[in-house]
Amino acid sequence: DQQVKQNSPSLSVQEGRISILNCDYTNSMFDYFLWYKKYPAEGPTFLISISSIKDKNEDGRFTVFLNKSAKHLSLHIVPSQPGDSAVYFCAASLTGNQFYFGTGTSLTVIP
Amino acid sequence: DGGITQSPKYLFRKEGQNVTLSCEQNLNHDAMYWYRQDPGQGLRLIYYSQIVNDFQKGDIAEGYSVSREKKESFPLTVTSAQKNPTAFYLCASRVRAPVTGELFFGEGSRLTVL
Repeated sequence: DQQVKQNSPSLSVQEGRISILNCDYTNSMFDYFLWYKKYPAEGPTFLISISSIKDKNEDGRFTVFLNKSAKHLSLHIVPSQPGDSAVYFCAASLTGNQFYFGTGTSLTVIP
Repeated sequence: DGGITQSPKYLFRKEGQNVTLSCEQNLNHDAMYWYRQDPGQGLRLIYYSQIVNDFQKGDIAEGYSVSREKKESFPLTVTSAQKNPTAFYLCASRVRAPVTGELFFGEGSRLTVL
C-alpha cells in the first residue's frame, strides 16, 4: 500500500503566482521529508527537505510545510516561473534507511 | 565533478535475456539504492545497500539481483524472471544513516524489452 501519496497528478499555475503542491503520508514514524524535481528521462534533483522536529523550512522561492497531526506535507513555490515546470515528487524516510516516494505532481507554469 | 553515473542510458533486451545496469558514484557515499519508475507509479525501491558486501531487498526485488563489492559501484541485474522489466531505472546514493541527508540520483537508464 502506498505510504506516501500525491493526490493531484497535475497542476497549472500562472507565472508569478504561487504553486502549492501537496503530499500525504500514512506512517507517523517518518522523520525526514524531501521534495524532488524531475524532468523527463532525467534523474530527480533535490529541492528542499524538512525534519519531523520542524514545521517549516524555507530556501529562496521554495518553502516546505509539515503538519504532523494531519500527516500532510506541502511545497510552496513563490513566485512560480516557467522553468519550474516539471514533475515534483515528495518523499519520506524512516531513520534514513529507506525512502518512500509519492506518485508525483506535474506542474505547468503558464507564461 | 562528483556525481553518479549510470550506463547505458538506453538499453534494449530480448525476452529471456539477463541485462546488467551499471551505477558508479564518486561521492564517497556508503549507501546506494536502485529505484524503478513506471508511469503513474512514482519511484519504487528495488534494492538498497548501506555498506559494502551487504544489501537489502526493497518493495519490488523479485526478478532483480545486485552486488556491492566496491563502495563506488552497485550494479543491478534484471533477470529473465522479471515479468515486466520495461521501465526507467534510477540509481541513487547518500551518506549512511543515521546521518540525515538527501538522495543523489543518477540520470537513469531506460530498459525496453522487445
